[in-house]
Amino acid sequence: QSALTQPASVSGSPGQSITISCTGTSSDVGGHNYVSWYQQHPGKAPKLMIFDVTNRPSGVPDRFSGSKSGNSASLTISGLQAEDEADYYCTSYTSSHTSVFGGGTKLTVL
Amino acid sequence: EVQLVESGGGLVQPGGSLRLSCAASGFTFGDYWMHWVRQVPEKGLVWVSRIKSDGSETNYADSVKGRFTISRDNAKNTLSLQMNSLRAEDTAVYYCARGVGGSRYFDYWGQGTLVTVSS
Repeated sequence: QSALTQPASVSGSPGQSITISCTGTSSDVGGHNYVSWYQQHPGKAPKLMIFDVTNRPSGVPDRFSGSKSGNSASLTISGLQAEDEADYYCTSYTSSHTSVFGGGTKLTVL
Repeated sequence: EVQLVESGGGLVQPGGSLRLSCAASGFTFGDYWMHWVRQVPEKGLVWVSRIKSDGSETNYADSVKGRFTISRDNAKNTLSLQMNSLRAEDTAVYYCARGVGGSRYFDYWGQGTLVTVSS
């Protein structure tokens, strides 16, 4: 149950776009379309941003989008805003009937 | 409004036990899989365990298998995590989360309860 691989940090200026990658294996990311993304501000509980690879829950801005290719998934945030600064985590269901998270990515809005 | 409220965290010595609870409200608890996820302060999220809506199936991360037991009481809308043989590396904030479609994603999370394992 190795963690999915995410970059430790990414940054961008307001209005720009950034992409966070999430790499797993054929037993998790590559084997299922059950990849989701969570935003976590300091001291707060995680918040669902993307589910089933590409879907946004109601209330999440359409600036957030997800995709997947092979064993890797990505979260793209366009039109960066100051309030997007947070930690982001990907997760996937696995063939072992467990879930696995990525190590998390700290997004800094410059 | 969906609410998940964890309780039961605290300071425990290595080798000790602790039981966490998660009180659910605002939805039909017995219709959903439920999960525990933990987070070492300033570190990442780690999935711990899940239990099927009727309690008939459970799964665990390798790191807690044989030491932790997840359970639920659908009549009381309560999820529990019995943690035995605790180790320093179990120190973390423990979140309960509602699972959609089993483990497709977690749409609601509690605020977390801190467990500290230290002598």
